[in-house]
Amino acid sequence: KQEVTQIPAALSVPEGENLVLNCSFTDSAIYNLQWFRQDPGKGLTSLLLIQSSQREQTSGRLNASLDKSSGRSTLYIAASQPGDSATYLCAVSNNDMRFGAGTRLTVKP
Amino acid sequence: NAGVTQTPKFQVLKTGQSMTLQCAQDMNHEYMSWYRQDPGMGLRLIHYSVGAGITDQGEVPNGYNVSRSTTEDFPLRLLSAAPSQTSVYFCASRGLTGGPNSNQPQHFGDGTRLSIL
Repeated sequence: KQEVTQIPAALSVPEGENLVLNCSFTDSAIYNLQWFRQDPGKGLTSLLLIQSSQREQTSGRLNASLDKSSGRSTLYIAASQPGDSATYLCAVSNNDMRFGAGTRLTVKP
Repeated sequence: NAGVTQTPKFQVLKTGQSMTLQCAQDMNHEYMSWYRQDPGMGLRLIHYSVGAGITDQGEVPNGYNVSRSTTEDFPLRLLSAAPSQTSVYFCASRGLTGGPNSNQPQHFGDGTRLSIL
């Protein structure tokens, strides 16, 4: 059974800092990995999707990497802003999608 | 572009009542799924479907039924509501793994907040 773990569970940083969120999974037989953002009381917004054959994806200040053999992914956020405050979830897909519990990020002005 | 539409947004039920949560998508996605989200536990898969007429169980299927009569719609039925089913429910859709839409991200609805008294 696929298990997805995200560390840390919560993170608080001052504005402008670069930061890394971690995601690990137990079964490397995945098709893709996706990072989502969730604001309080809202649904999930897709940030980046990495296919199993890819090593990383970038969108603006966000960079996600994937090391399938070691079962790890990282989400790098550059020059963090208060608007980045949210919960970040990673999810791995094969025939279904399994989620981590998320990292709650607070960026202080 | 409507994407994934869930109704209702909020619902309060009494223990033992039944209800159906509606989900519709307009992206012609083969794969649809239902999740529940509880504090500190992330999202857990309830049921999923890889196409019309095909459904399967996820991690936490007990107490829920689904059907998929069309590509667009995937309703979730609570047969006899219990307080343990108080949660936020999300519907999602995407193209099938390996299919023509498989490089597209999964799309989520805005959620249904359900309270069982």
